Amino acid sequence: GENVEQHPSTLSVQEGDSAVIKCTYSDSASNYFPWYKQELGKGPQLIIDIRSNVGEKKDQRIAVTLNKTAKHFSLHITETQPEDSAVYFCAAIREYNFNKFYFGSGTKLNVKP
Amino acid sequence: NAGVTQTPKFQVLKTGQSMTLQCAQDMNHEYMSWYRQDPGMGLRLIHYSVGAGITDQGEVPNGYNVSRSTTEDFPLRLLSAAPSQTSVYFCASSYKVHTDTQYFGPGTRLTVL
Repeated sequence: GENVEQHPSTLSVQEGDSAVIKCTYSDSASNYFPWYKQELGKGPQLIIDIRSNVGEKKDQRIAVTLNKTAKHFSLHITETQPEDSAVYFCAAIREYNFNKFYFGSGTKLNVKP
Repeated sequence: NAGVTQTPKFQVLKTGQSMTLQCAQDMNHEYMSWYRQDPGMGLRLIHYSVGAGITDQGEVPNGYNVSRSTTEDFPLRLLSAAPSQTSVYFCASSYKVHTDTQYFGPGTRLTVL
């Protein structure tokens, strides 16, 4: 069936370094790609999203890139800080289908001070 | 604004028992949804609603019922709990459609013995 593969499952970086998380999707009709941050004991929170008509989007230290041909997209966090430590989820969604949601399995990011 | 609230935070059930997980939002959002989150897996959509009186199935609807009698409330009912329903359940809402920013509740951790 349709799915999203997310790598790596865990990522440990030193404070100030960059972190990159990658997702690959199989549903070629997906056209909306959000990224969520989930802190321990809390619900996911949207941090950035990208639509299929855009190749890259930036918001301060966070950026997302999308390659529709290869069906993969990535989250880039620069100048990481300890408060970036959390689980990050990607998702691939069809904008015009309310029930076509595919989430990655998550990446646990640990930023060491 | 309280945002999205969920009750209870924790629940233990015996196999065969029924219960209702409550979800409410005070942002006047049209779209609401329920997800389950299992270890090592991404979120999976159970049911969703695009407005009061309208509900539909997601990826994993079996064993769950929903209703949407008001804009604010979207309860999830487990008719006859099974151990396979042990999970963390998240409710989310967004302004009009699922690709608007989704706001998640804090989650309900359910254990079925």
